Amino acid sequence: EAQVTQNPRYLITVTGKKLTVTCSQNMNHEYMSWYRQDPGLGLRQIYYSMNVEVTDKGDVPEGYKVSRKEKRNFPLILESPSPNQTSLYFCASSPGDFSGNTIYFGEGSWLTVV
Amino acid sequence: AQSVTQLGSHVSVSEGALVLLRCNYSSSVPPYLFWYVQYPNQGLQLLLKYTTGATLVKGINGFEAEFKKSETSFHLTKPSAHMSDAAEYFCAVSEGFQKLVFGTGTRLLVSP
Repeated sequence: EAQVTQNPRYLITVTGKKLTVTCSQNMNHEYMSWYRQDPGLGLRQIYYSMNVEVTDKGDVPEGYKVSRKEKRNFPLILESPSPNQTSLYFCASSPGDFSGNTIYFGEGSWLTVV
Repeated sequence: AQSVTQLGSHVSVSEGALVLLRCNYSSSVPPYLFWYVQYPNQGLQLLLKYTTGATLVKGINGFEAEFKKSETSFHLTKPSAHMSDAAEYFCAVSEGFQKLVFGTGTRLLVSP
């Protein structure tokens, strides 16, 4: 089954404690991206990657890091989480660029930073 | 930069009634437009998309949307609402090759 898998789905952590949200897709997609969803703001892009070792900032990259060492994986790293990073996070992938291709989303990761 | 405006953060309809969710966009180039649906505790799922060609686009679950360039709109409709349609709906427009720009979402409530 084609899917984008994120882990963990739910996490409560403390300010400053580094964490990683993993993302894996089994569709051999080149494009991957991370979004965060906040009430009243919709989804905003954090980072995207066009292929292995190629990443770039989205609209809200501050406080986040990513890496793309393998095509299927695109982890999101919060080096020193802060309460304003409490949000619902989605990983997404696409067979081509995001201009007209269907984007496939993971089920989301609820992150609470206290 | 592209932007998307969804009118109404909440829309309530009765089961069997027409569903109309509004979306207006701004784009400096011919847009690619999308509607995604998010059911509770799930990720986003593509309902339909417009890239080129026919301006009336049919999607899954009986939804359709019409691209109107003169009105810069891409409203989502369904003739008869079902209880299972209750969800949050997002309109989005492509911005270049690197991302979608999403609206703030409309929560559809369906009452018996």
